[in-house]
Amino acid sequence: NAGVTQTPKFQVLKTGQSMTLQCAQDMNHNSMYWYRQDPGMGLRLIYYSASEGTTDKGEVPNGYNVSRLNKREFSLRLESAAPSQTSVYFCASPIAGGSYNEQFFGPGTRLTVL
Amino acid sequence: KNEVEQSPQNLTAQEGEFITINCSYSVGISALHWLQQHPGGGIVSLFMLSSGKKKHGRLIATINIQEKHSSLHITASHPRDSAVYICAVTGNQFYFGTGTSLTVIP
Repeated sequence: NAGVTQTPKFQVLKTGQSMTLQCAQDMNHNSMYWYRQDPGMGLRLIYYSASEGTTDKGEVPNGYNVSRLNKREFSLRLESAAPSQTSVYFCASPIAGGSYNEQFFGPGTRLTVL
Repeated sequence: KNEVEQSPQNLTAQEGEFITINCSYSVGISALHWLQQHPGGGIVSLFMLSSGKKKHGRLIATINIQEKHSSLHITASHPRDSAVYICAVTGNQFYFGTGTSLTVIP
């Protein structure tokens, strides 16, 4: 049981290049989220998927697209990367009910756009 | 205006000290989360609570729904507690605070 996995861990792009960030969860959760984290700011929601086959925009969706491929996988695509998209990206799958040290975030992808 | 405000932003403590991190929120919530982010970047859920108090080891989290306020306490702090602690609330979506960076000095 790996929880939430993300690939890649690090990526450097040039302005205008495209890439897809992959996320998968093996907890059989319905909801999956993509966030970005920037210095001095809280995590900001990019897109979310409440269930397989549905996606909705979050707070900062511009420049991104998502695909909920199946219940396990939720990918984030940058069609034409911009320096403003340099950030750390986290995929998350909220768990209903809580217990100590219950991880529901992926390890993050550190993206630099030059 | 941020829906979730944390204080302090930065905190340095001597090993063994009792630490309190505060979180205030302005939206209606169904639950409040305390998260820990280590220098390596990974985020771990510490607590999820909707009322009262939870305790695990040296960590205690409390919430006052009427005052829209939560505190995270660390007793007998240790250098391995050094991390960023993030408060998040679940309303119609997740809202996150900007985090409190804690450094515990041996």
